This record gives sequence, C-alpha cells and structure tokens, in this order.
Amino acid sequence: AQTVTQSQPEMSVQEAETVTLSCTYDTSESDYYLFWYKQPPSRQMILVIRQEAYKQQNATENRFSVNFQKAAKSFSLKISDSQLGDAAMYFCAYIDRIGNTPLVFGKGTRLSVIA
Amino acid sequence: EAQVTQNPRYLITVTGKKLTVTCSQNMNHEYMSWYRQDPGLGLRQIYYSMNVEVTDKGDVPEGYKVSRKEKRNFPLILESPSPNQTSLYFCASSELAGSSYEQYFGPGTRLTVT
Repeated sequence: AQTVTQSQPEMSVQEAETVTLSCTYDTSESDYYLFWYKQPPSRQMILVIRQEAYKQQNATENRFSVNFQKAAKSFSLKISDSQLGDAAMYFCAYIDRIGNTPLVFGKGTRLSVIA
Repeated sequence: EAQVTQNPRYLITVTGKKLTVTCSQNMNHEYMSWYRQDPGLGLRQIYYSMNVEVTDKGDVPEGYKVSRKEKRNFPLILESPSPNQTSLYFCASSELAGSSYEQYFGPGTRLTVT
C-alpha cells in the first residue's frame, strides 16, 4: 500500500522568509498525482499545488513551489516570502492516476509564521 | 458556485444513537469520499465511491456505512456511534477520467459521541 510521510510535525518561519516542508512517499506505481493541501484554523481544506508524476517540471503557484524528485520519491513544498496567512497545517497527499485507490495523506506539518 | 456541502457542521450525540451526515456536490463529479481527521493521524479515508451504486472501503471503514443512490449525494451513516468515532469528518468529490483527481472538500463536520 502507498504511504506518505511528513517527518516535520511542526515548523516555524519568520515573515518574509522562505521555508521548505518535506514529504516522502512510497509507491510501486509510475503514474500518479501528488498534492499539497493547506488547512487554516477555519479547518477548510485548500489545495495549494498539484504535481503530475509524468511531468518533470516542478509545479509552481505564485509563492508556492515544489521540488519533485521522482527517483527519490520526494515532494517538498517551498513557501517563499512567507506571510502571516500562511500559518496552517499542511498535508501532503498521493493518488494513483488510475484513481481506484484511496487518496493517501501524510500526518501533516503545522507551520507557524512569526511576525 | 461549485461546492461540496455537509450537514450538520457540528453534532453532539450519545453512544448508540444512529446518525447520518449528509454530503452533496453540485459539480457532477463521479468520485466522492469520506475522511476522518484526528490529531496526529492526518486524514484517513473511510469510504469512497467511483460512481452511483459503486462504493468501496477505505482505510478505516469499521463502524460506518455509506450509500450512493444519486450522483450528487453521498451520506455517511453511523448505525451505532461510539466515543472512538468522535472526530472531524470531511466529504470530498472529484472528477475521474481525464482529470487530476483534485479533491474538492466540504467544510467539515465536528462529531462528538459521549
């Protein structure tokens, strides 16, 4: 079964600085999707960024970018110019492209932003 | 507005009293699923459905039932709730074929079983 590991339960970053959240996963599949979700105190799950495994180019969404290392099964999230509103739980998630397996989440990383 | 709705948002109940949490989406998505979120455990999938009348167990299905009689609705049923089912529950939906499986989440239901 696929697994997703987030090894940093908590992280903190100074406002305007850059922080990287780590995620590794285990799968025998070659075609899949990876996601980072943000969960602010409102508890709403918000998609931050998505990466397709067959695309070599790292995904980018404004201040958010990923470092996707397929061979190493690593999918880290970089947040640049951190803002107070970035403070939240961040979850890494995986799903096979076929889609007949569950979306698997990591246990999350709580990010604090210090003013 | 494209959205997933859940009701109720908050529920306090007693052990053994049957309850249903409703979930509805207006995006014509084939795939729907239920997750529970517990501190330190992340989100774990309870059940999912690839289409009408097709449901499958996720990672933690014990104590839960679901049904998918209509494409837009996917209720979660707790026949005899127990305190270990106290949790935050999310419903989600997504497209399937040709999509990226981006999950659209409902706002969550906070369930407390005493």
